[in-house]
Amino acid sequence: KQEVTQIPAALSVPEGENLVLNCSFTDSAIYNLQWFRQDPGKGLTSLLLIQSSQREQTSGRLNASLDKSSGRSTLYIAASQPGDSATYLCAVIDNNAGNMLTFGGGTRLMVKP
Amino acid sequence: GAGVSQSPSNKVTEKGKDVELRCDPISGHTALYWYRQRLGQGLEFLIYFQGNSAPDKSGLPSDRFSAERTGESVSTLTIQRTQQEDSAVYLCASSFWEEAETQYFGPGTRLLVL
Repeated sequence: KQEVTQIPAALSVPEGENLVLNCSFTDSAIYNLQWFRQDPGKGLTSLLLIQSSQREQTSGRLNASLDKSSGRSTLYIAASQPGDSATYLCAVIDNNAGNMLTFGGGTRLMVKP
Repeated sequence: GAGVSQSPSNKVTEKGKDVELRCDPISGHTALYWYRQRLGQGLEFLIYFQGNSAPDKSGLPSDRFSAERTGESVSTLTIQRTQQEDSAVYLCASSFWEEAETQYFGPGTRLLVL
């Protein structure tokens, strides 16, 4: 059974810092991996999707990498802003598992002004 | 266009009562998913629909949970005889069935069972 782990569980940084969020998964037979953002009282917003054949994806100040063989992904946030404060969730879709997402526990990020 | 909507946004009920949660997916999305997020825990997959069919119901926590979808559109998740451990945020998502597509999530229904 696929298990997804995110480290750290919580992170507090001053505004302007670059930071890295980590995600690991136990079964490397994944179809793709996604990073989501979750704001209190709101649904999930997809940030980046990396197909299993890809190594990274970039969107603005966000860069996500994927090392499928080692079961790891990182989300890099450059020049963090208070508006980046949210919970960041990593999720994978396994091969032959339909479109079911298996989520990690999330990293709660606080960016202080 | 309109995103995924869910109703009610909040529901408080007494232990033992039945509740119905509704999800309106993005128009044209053939796949629909239900997830649960209990306080302090990660998102837990419950069930998915391909069209109006749910091929695998093994993710539902107990036989008190059921779900249906009609017209390849609206879905309802029903919890019978609610228990306090059912308290959670229930999230719905929809997508095109092609596996590479991103799932679009609704805002969730916050259920509190007293």
